[in-house]
Amino acid sequence: DTEVTQTPKHLVMGMTNKKSLKCEQHMGHRAMYWYKQKAKKPPELMFVYSYEKLSINESVPSRFSPECPNSSLLNLHLHALQPEDSALYLCASSQAPAVVLDTQYFGPGTRLTVL
Amino acid sequence: DAKTTQPPSMDCAEGRAANLPCNHSTISGNEYVYWYRQIHSQGPQYIIHGLKNNETNEMASLIITEDRKSSTLILPHATLRDTAVYYCIVRAKTGANNLFFGTGTRLTVIP
Repeated sequence: DTEVTQTPKHLVMGMTNKKSLKCEQHMGHRAMYWYKQKAKKPPELMFVYSYEKLSINESVPSRFSPECPNSSLLNLHLHALQPEDSALYLCASSQAPAVVLDTQYFGPGTRLTVL
Repeated sequence: DAKTTQPPSMDCAEGRAANLPCNHSTISGNEYVYWYRQIHSQGPQYIIHGLKNNETNEMASLIITEDRKSSTLILPHATLRDTAVYYCIVRAKTGANNLFFGTGTRLTVIP
């Protein structure tokens, strides 16, 4: 099973709402990632978790708050977002953070619209 | 990680080979060439990677020039389902294993 699942598939929220995106994998991977992809642009890295600890934060605004409650789950908590945060949010996982030839497996993404 | 340059778009007739070029003239000795693709409204999908030898798997072949400054991804018999954006990524052997995507090549397979 090489599947990464993401819920919800679509999310519409207001600027004052609090919502969460969820990502799950059952491949035993110990590295998990959040990427953001604006329309017609390539994915951009937001966060990396290695062994359930945040290892990379690419200067993401604090209105995005990641959480890795266990090795299979990755959440992205959203609060006070702006319309320009509307994008496709992609989750990925890979086997081991220190392994250089590590293939990342991506989920289908959550398409977020901020009104 | 080294920067890559790809043509923004290409067309290929269904059933023919699709050859997608990538320039990575500043690649260093410990950097690998990776290819991912993203079909519309889906997450990126790993295709293949290589260091300096040519590589082949069930999806594609990767040809890397002897000086390693460029490479070509070959889809031997393109189908309509191969229509996607193809990303060439250069990754260091050491350091963080996150991916830096360039702008990619939008391949359209034409019936």
